[in-house]
Amino acid sequence: KAGVTQTPRYLIKTRGQQVTLSCSPISGHRSVSWYQQTPGQGLQFLFEYFSETQRNKGNFPGRFSGRQFSNSRSEMNVSTLELGDSALYLCASSLGLATSYNEQFFGPGTRLTVL
Amino acid sequence: GQQVMQIPQYQHVQEGEDFTTYCNSSTTLSNIQWYKQRPGGHPVFLIQLVKSGEVKKQKRLTFQFGEAKKNSSLHITATQTTDVGTYFCAGNSNYQLIWGAGTKLIIKP
Repeated sequence: KAGVTQTPRYLIKTRGQQVTLSCSPISGHRSVSWYQQTPGQGLQFLFEYFSETQRNKGNFPGRFSGRQFSNSRSEMNVSTLELGDSALYLCASSLGLATSYNEQFFGPGTRLTVL
Repeated sequence: GQQVMQIPQYQHVQEGEDFTTYCNSSTTLSNIQWYKQRPGGHPVFLIQLVKSGEVKKQKRLTFQFGEAKKNSSLHITATQTTDVGTYFCAGNSNYQLIWGAGTKLIIKP
């Protein structure tokens, strides 16, 4: 069974630009969660999608948005990039909601650098 | 807001020594999960604890969930170089998954 895939793996953007990251969950998994990880920081939860609906949201500004498609693939968009958005963005898939006793399987992440 | 405090932030040990990381929640948790992230890697699920006072073992790793379901610990006996990485707990409270900041295990050369 293929794992969680994220594209692209690396991305360099400049301030003010926007970026879209993609995540393909494990086949059969219906939930996708997104996290931001910066050096020395833990995992900061962005949002979770289940059956194409956002079910949970973390404390991030509205510049961060996401969506989920009918095949459970998910995209995350960051508009008007700031230097502080440089981070590793991880997506995780699970059979059901992450808050319903489901273990999460993480992808390798997309490393975003904002110059 | 709801928080899960994880300590210590770092632990340096000699190979063969034991290692423990603790998570403490401000609210009662319905369950807690533990993940390990190797350097340069992504978090990998280790275990889930659900019952009050639950203890689970995986070879040299022992996981405990407190009686009040507000704290949890991960203990590694006789650390090996393969144990290096950051260990995270994630507690479920009021339909929010709250992550600890992680404990980085460093093996002294």
